[in-house]
Amino acid sequence: AQSVAQPEDQVNVAEGNPLTVKCTYSVSGNPYLFWYVQYPNRGLQFLLKYITGDNLVKGSYGFEAEFNKSQTSFHLKKPSALVSDSALYFCAVRDMGSSNTGKLIFGQGTTLQVKP
Amino acid sequence: EAQVTQNPRYLITVTGKKLTVTCSQNMNHEYMSWYRQDPGLGLRQIYYSMNVEVTDKGDVPEGYKVSRKEKRNFPLILESPSPNQTSLYFCASSLAGDGYTFGSGTRLTVV
Repeated sequence: AQSVAQPEDQVNVAEGNPLTVKCTYSVSGNPYLFWYVQYPNRGLQFLLKYITGDNLVKGSYGFEAEFNKSQTSFHLKKPSALVSDSALYFCAVRDMGSSNTGKLIFGQGTTLQVKP
Repeated sequence: EAQVTQNPRYLITVTGKKLTVTCSQNMNHEYMSWYRQDPGLGLRQIYYSMNVEVTDKGDVPEGYKVSRKEKRNFPLILESPSPNQTSLYFCASSLAGDGYTFGSGTRLTVV
């Protein structure tokens, strides 16, 4: 079955420290992987995606993510966190297998709290 | 500006009173989807459409209907809303399914 797991409900980091938000996935075919961010009372904003190619993907606001096929992971990272990065982060996968419907499967979300 | 527009942003209604949440995109995208967001559950797909007149159920379609009569619009219809449909709803569109643009959301409360 297709699924996405974000094992941490909340991640707390101090401003200026590196941050990691974890994501693992399970699909039958090749995955398209995405990270979205949601600020309070706002919609989801696209951060970055992995389709193919280089395993390290760079996105908006200084975020990056590393695709690891053997560990089926796609962790979100940033070298130096800002207080303004505090938000709800969603990992999502699109299964490019035989039943390609364009459907995105989301993780349950991780709240990132960056303290000054 | 390329965007997905949902209306209304906030809606409080009573059980059983039919309602429609509109969604429109100006990017000529083929794919459109509706999701609901509930705490601890992430976003779950309600219905999706791969093109005009092509719609199909997502993971949680019960109690909802959709239509795709034209490419830009994908309304979500609740024929007889119930309290368990109280949620935050998002419409999203994509050109080929490799990147989705989301609307700002509709917070629905059914009392």
